Amino acid sequence: DVKVTQSSRYLVKRTGEKVFLECVQDMDHENMFWYRQDPGLGLRLIYFSYDVKMKEKGDIPEGYSVSREKKERFSLILESASTNQTSMYLCASRRGGMGEQYFGPGTRLTVT
Amino acid sequence: TQLLEQSPQFLSIQEGENLTVYCNSSSVFSSLQWYRQEPGEGPVLLVTVVTGGEVKKLKRLTFQFGDARKDSSLHITAAQTGDTGLYLCAGAPSGGSYIPTFGRGTSLIVHP
Repeated sequence: DVKVTQSSRYLVKRTGEKVFLECVQDMDHENMFWYRQDPGLGLRLIYFSYDVKMKEKGDIPEGYSVSREKKERFSLILESASTNQTSMYLCASRRGGMGEQYFGPGTRLTVT
Repeated sequence: TQLLEQSPQFLSIQEGENLTVYCNSSSVFSSLQWYRQEPGEGPVLLVTVVTGGEVKKLKRLTFQFGDARKDSSLHITAAQTGDTGLYLCAGAPSGGSYIPTFGRGTSLIVHP
């Protein structure tokens, strides 16, 4: 079974703080994704990584950056958290190509 | 414009009823995935459909991929309270980006 884990289930941060969200997958998948999910807006892709040190911007990359130094780990960084970044953050991995994704349990981030 | 349109957006039914959820697009997809997401959790893969006209069954859930590979449906027979959740369809258009797109989801509540 593919396992995708995220560093925190719940996180509360203050405006202006730097926030790190970590995701680890154990199936040697090439592709990893970060999404945010908001009511009525569905899943929106923030960043995508197709290999170590490789990344592509998704639909809403502003205010976020990512790091992928090792194949199994994909980090999402909020450089200076703002209240409009309060959301559910989901990480996913995929072996490659256009197949199915496997999701982590999500991190509910609240920025006050 | 949403590449994958899901309908209905919300469904509230009694246990034992049947229901169908639709996922439509004007684009051709090489494959489509269906996921179920429970509150506070990440989406969990239910099925992948690949061949036009394909029908897959998962206990009381029946998934169909349209002949032209532009649409899909999920039918649940005799719904149970455990079917409650958000149902998402996802896929990447053929010949285009390998970045998947998601429908906005159908929120299903099954009342006892």
